[in-house]
Amino acid sequence: DAMVIQNPRYQVTQFGKPVTLSCSQTLNHNVMYWYQQKSSQAPKLLFHYYDKDFNNEADTPDNFQSRRPNTSFCFLDIRSPGLGDAAMYLCATSRQGSVNYNEQFFGPGTRLTVL
Amino acid sequence: AQRVTQPEKLLSVFKGAPVELKCNYSYSGSPELFWYVQYSRQRLQLLLRHISRESIKGFTADLNKGETSFHLKKPFAQEEDSAMYYCALRASGSARQLTFGSGTQLTVLP
Repeated sequence: DAMVIQNPRYQVTQFGKPVTLSCSQTLNHNVMYWYQQKSSQAPKLLFHYYDKDFNNEADTPDNFQSRRPNTSFCFLDIRSPGLGDAAMYLCATSRQGSVNYNEQFFGPGTRLTVL
Repeated sequence: AQRVTQPEKLLSVFKGAPVELKCNYSYSGSPELFWYVQYSRQRLQLLLRHISRESIKGFTADLNKGETSFHLKKPFAQEEDSAMYYCALRASGSARQLTFGSGTQLTVLP
C-alpha cells in the first residue's frame, strides 16, 4: 500500500550524463515536492508543483529541472550531474486545501551516485 | 528567510530516562512547527505538529515563541524511539514549503 513511490531506489550515473528520477503517488495529492538531502544535512527543497504550477526555490541550480505530466507522476531531471549532486533525493506530496494539508508524505528516496 | 537549528547531531539516553530533543528557529512571522521522524530503513514521516497540541507515541512539543523553540520531549524513552528526528518549519500564510533542521539521531540504550 505504498503511497509515494520512488524509482529507482539507487541510481548510478556518470559525471555529466543526464539522469531522471521518478516519483509517483496514489494519494491524489495536488502538491508534489523534490528535496535533496546530502549526508548529515537537512533535506533541502529544490522545487515543488502546486497542481501544474511549478515553483522553483531561488537557490536551486539550473542543472535541476522537473516535469509533472499528470497528478500522479513527477520527475526530477539532472541535466549534467556533477560529483556534488550525489545525494539522497526525496519526493513528497501534500494536499492543499484539506484540513491537514501541511502534512507532507514522503517517498523512500533515491540515492544517486555520480562516478 | 527562515532557519531551523537542531544543536545536537547525536543524543543517547537510557531506556526509561526522559529525553528532550532541541529545536530552535528564526523567523519573523508566525510559523507552523513540525517534528518528522525517520526510523531505520523507513521513510520520513510526520510525528506531530504544534497546532494540534497532541501527544504522539508519548512525545509532546510546545511552541515557545519567546524563546523561538519547539523542543520535543518524552518522559520515559523506549528503545523503539531510536530514530532520526527532524524539526521543520512552515512560514505563515499560503507557503507550502518546509524548512528542515539537520536532524538529531536519538539512540535509546537498553
